[in-house]
Amino acid sequence: AQKVTQAQTEISVVEKEDVTLDCVYETRDTTYYLFWYKQPPSGELVFLIRRNSFDEQNEISGRYSWNFQKSTSSFNFTITASQVVDSAVYFCALSEDATGANNLFFGTGTRLTVIP
Amino acid sequence: ETGVTQTPRHLVMGMTNKKSLKCEQHLGHNAMYWYKQSAKKPLELMFVYSLEERVENNSVPSRFSPECPNSSHLFLHLHTLQPEDSALYLCASSQEWDRAYNEQFFGPGTRLTVL
Repeated sequence: AQKVTQAQTEISVVEKEDVTLDCVYETRDTTYYLFWYKQPPSGELVFLIRRNSFDEQNEISGRYSWNFQKSTSSFNFTITASQVVDSAVYFCALSEDATGANNLFFGTGTRLTVIP
Repeated sequence: ETGVTQTPRHLVMGMTNKKSLKCEQHLGHNAMYWYKQSAKKPLELMFVYSLEERVENNSVPSRFSPECPNSSHLFLHLHTLQPEDSALYLCASSQEWDRAYNEQFFGPGTRLTVL
């Protein structure tokens, strides 16, 4: 079974619209870490955020916000007032403390296209 | 500016060729990773090196051979590849391999096409 599910394969929005990217994870570990990465057309994955399983506070960074809900095993990412530069593939990932290793389990990604 | 560089950015090779992918990190990290990214599939972890020692080898075919001469450099040697090996190969590094909380920093990848 896949540990991280990103059900939205592709999303298109018009510039200035808000958009939410969904991420659902699965783990039996009590201590784990969730990540979001952005992959622009240039190819490299850019780290956006890390949350640990004990910190359910939502986080806001400029136009980006993240909603972590352990009750639904979700870690959703919202972009407010989207811009063309937000067009990219976004990956959610999970790392489990019990493995004792920095092994990231990635979802299949969501391709976001922001139309001018 | 990325702290992880990869060369070449694009590579086309025949099934009988031998080539190598290079990765260099300028972040002082101790762990380095090779991933394979194919369309509509999650990133697949191929190899992990921690302080130049291989610590993970996820059932990767022997036609892929990694090498880590020091903690800043990582190579992936390729020989007798198959067309299904065509993909984006990403290199990453992190501060330590044995800390699950570390974020990984990625290079831009090598787009490999096997004819």
